[in-house]
Amino acid sequence: NAGVTQTPKFRVLKTGQSMTLLCAQDMNHEYMYWYRQDPGMGLRLIHYSVGEGTTAKGEVPDGYNVSRLKKQNFLLGLESAAPSQTSVYFCASSSLERQYFGPGTRLTVL
Amino acid sequence: AQSVTQPDIHITVSEGASLELRCNYSYGATPYLFWYVQSPGQGLQLLLKYFSGDTLVQGIKGFEAEFKRSQSSFNLRKPSVHWSDAAEYFCAGSSYNTDKLIFGTGTRLQVFP
Repeated sequence: NAGVTQTPKFRVLKTGQSMTLLCAQDMNHEYMYWYRQDPGMGLRLIHYSVGEGTTAKGEVPDGYNVSRLKKQNFLLGLESAAPSQTSVYFCASSSLERQYFGPGTRLTVL
Repeated sequence: AQSVTQPDIHITVSEGASLELRCNYSYGATPYLFWYVQSPGQGLQLLLKYFSGDTLVQGIKGFEAEFKRSQSSFNLRKPSVHWSDAAEYFCAGSSYNTDKLIFGTGTRLQVFP
């Protein structure tokens, strides 16, 4: 049981480049979330999904898109990266008891 | 608007001393409340959670938290801190058990020998 995994762990992008972050969970959870963590700001919700094929905006959705084509995967896309998107990104999935977090992806946009 | 506030950005304690980290919430109804810990470069580990019932909640690593409705608080406590407790601590809340979490800004704990 791997729990929640994230790919890649680290990435450096140039301004304007695109990339996709992959989150996978093997716990058959319906709910999945993408957060970003910035110093002094805690974690903020970017987008979330309440089931396969559904997505919704969180607190800071601008500049990001997501897709949930399969129940176990939740993809976060940056179409045109900006330096303001330099952050650590965490994915989570939720049971009825709690959220389970992945190890994070550290993204730097130059 | 719903919010979770951690008033202390940074706390320093001596090893063996007691610890209390503050968390205040603002929700229309009683929220689900959580404390997470994050060691440097690591993900988030759940310490404890409060859904309902007994207002004193026991967690892992010797931590406990007390829900006080009258003060809109959910403070984290530990009677004797160990050097390995140095980390960043996040309080979080949600409106129901599978809802998105709203995090506080975190409290960084430093432990001196």
